[in-house]
Amino acid sequence: DVKVTQSSRYLVKRTGEKVFLECVQDMDHENMFWYRQDPGLGLRLIYFSYDVKMKEKGDIPEGYSVSREKKERFSLILESASTNQTSMYLCASNRGGGGNTIYFGEGSWLTVV
Amino acid sequence: QKEVEQDPGPLSVPEGAIVSLNCTYSNSAFQYFMWYRQYSRKGPELLMYTYSSGNKEDGRFTAQVDKSSKYISLFIRDSQPSDSATYLCASKGAGAGSYQLTFGKGTKLSVIP
Repeated sequence: DVKVTQSSRYLVKRTGEKVFLECVQDMDHENMFWYRQDPGLGLRLIYFSYDVKMKEKGDIPEGYSVSREKKERFSLILESASTNQTSMYLCASNRGGGGNTIYFGEGSWLTVV
Repeated sequence: QKEVEQDPGPLSVPEGAIVSLNCTYSNSAFQYFMWYRQYSRKGPELLMYTYSSGNKEDGRFTAQVDKSSKYISLFIRDSQPSDSATYLCASKGAGAGSYQLTFGKGTKLSVIP
């Protein structure tokens, strides 16, 4: 089975803190994604990466950055956390090419106070 | 217009009922269609995956795609309380550059014992 692991399930951070959300997948997938999910807004893509050191902005990249130094690991960085970044963050991955669905991690619940 | 539209519900049914969940999409390039199930405070898990038009059955679940009307359906027979979750439909193009899925916002289903 595909395994996407998000190391932190629940975090509480203060406004202005730098926050790192880590994600690891064990299926040698080329593509990795970070989404946030909010009630009434659904899943919104923040960033995705189709290869090591490659990244593309999604729909809502403002206030976020990402890092992909190794194929299996994709990190989401909040440079200066704000209260409007309180949300559930979901990491996902899939194999490159057409027709390959996305597998999600369990999610990271971030509260910024 | 969002590319995938889904009625958010909530939908509440008695145990044993047949459930019909539906989405419409606008992008004719979509070729792959998925349904994800998401339990509360968990990541989405892949439930059904279909290519192009037609039906696919897996136990109590049937996914149906009608590309002529751009309509995606999920049917749940003999619904159980354990089916209570949010169901997300998703679609994807077939091209090599089609990395991403486009998601509906999800329908929250409650199956009452």
